[in-house]
Amino acid sequence: GAVVSQHPSWVICKSGTSVKIECRSLDFQATTMFWYRQFPKQSLMLMATSNEGSKATYEQGVEKDKFLINHASLTLSTLTVTSAHPEDSSFYICSAAGRVETQYFGPGTRLLVL
Amino acid sequence: SQKIEQNSEALNIQEGKTATLTCNYTNYSPAYLQWYRQDPGRGPVFLLLIRENEKEKRKERLKVTFDTTLKQSLFHITASQPADSATYLCALDRSSGNTGKLIFGQGTTLQVKP
Repeated sequence: GAVVSQHPSWVICKSGTSVKIECRSLDFQATTMFWYRQFPKQSLMLMATSNEGSKATYEQGVEKDKFLINHASLTLSTLTVTSAHPEDSSFYICSAAGRVETQYFGPGTRLLVL
Repeated sequence: SQKIEQNSEALNIQEGKTATLTCNYTNYSPAYLQWYRQDPGRGPVFLLLIRENEKEKRKERLKVTFDTTLKQSLFHITASQPADSATYLCALDRSSGNTGKLIFGQGTTLQVKP
């Protein structure tokens, strides 16, 4: 299957700082990338959908000014958690899709906000 | 409201036996259903996709059935091995179309004992 990478794999930051997470599709061009969040013992929850060159669409309850998404190219999308707080601590996972019914997930980024 | 339910209790089976996991959904008319494997601290890995007009799909030791009348999918692993131990997630496109916006079940953890 296709390969999707995320960087960093884990990050610890102080409350109030911003954290950027990168998602790259390594061997295919992703027309659409998705960002999910997973809290312990819970399922993945879709946060937003991004298409290259256009603004991301956010799911209900997800603050677009807090979770900034940039999809600058067909192989790179970034999620920036601005002014992070402890409740933002979670496992953030991206997926990339050439065809939307076939998504390849990244390995995830674990964020801990102190 | 739309719901996807998987048996939240862990499934413990003996090596060599067949594991059967269940995914039930309500208030959906999905065009397809997907199954993923997720290991601790990792992103989901795509296993199988079954479309609404398909009753059954197989891939090596894996078999998925899809009953749109019962609104249920069954996921079978035959000749199970300890390496099959993981959490298995079912997912649906949240629309009747193909947006790629997946709703995940909470997952069933499978433990295969040698």
